[in-house]
Amino acid sequence: AQSVTQPDIHITVSEGASLELRCNYSYGATPYLFWYVQSPGQGLQLLLKYFSGDTLVQGIKGFEAEFKRSQSSFNLRKPSVHWSDAAEYFCAANYGGATNKLIFGTGTLLAVQP
Amino acid sequence: GAVVSQHPSWVICKSGTSVKIECRSLDFQATTMFWYRQFPKQSLMLMATSNEGSKATYEQGVEKDKFLINHASLTLSTLTVTSAHPEDSSFYICSAPRGGGDQETQYFGPGTRLLVL
Repeated sequence: AQSVTQPDIHITVSEGASLELRCNYSYGATPYLFWYVQSPGQGLQLLLKYFSGDTLVQGIKGFEAEFKRSQSSFNLRKPSVHWSDAAEYFCAANYGGATNKLIFGTGTLLAVQP
Repeated sequence: GAVVSQHPSWVICKSGTSVKIECRSLDFQATTMFWYRQFPKQSLMLMATSNEGSKATYEQGVEKDKFLINHASLTLSTLTVTSAHPEDSSFYICSAPRGGGDQETQYFGPGTRLLVL
């Protein structure tokens, strides 16, 4: 079955440190891949997306993600975390094309230590 | 950017009553909208696809008679939880796509937290 896995339920990093959130998608046709951030009281906000082409994708708020077909991964990175980055991050995939039926991972809750 | 709103943001109701949740695309039209449910410490699970002018498409295991969806206009979809029970307590989130092809992006509402007593 098509699925998205985020191995880390909770991560704590110090402010200014680098960050990497892991995401793996199930084997098969390469889906469209997305990273969303969810802050309390706000809707999910798209950070970045990968459809095709360059495997290193730049997003908003200084985030980037790298698609690695050999590892079925789409990890999210940020070189220097800010306290305002504390939130829950969801990786999502769409296997059916560019629209609809997003399959979400279970999310990674990021805490940022001062 | 595109904005999707939901109303109400939270609701508490008695068991057996029905609750209606609205999802609006504020500055764009959406022929399709999506309804998700998120339980505490869990991910978003797609419940159904709301289609303007036609019947909604429900995911496997979602009771269509319990979760009534109406997409009466290009900017409004409603989800009605009928005869709500405590196990229906959850966070309900809608989304609407904007753009097409590789430019399509799903915009999410802020969610509606439902508590059934």
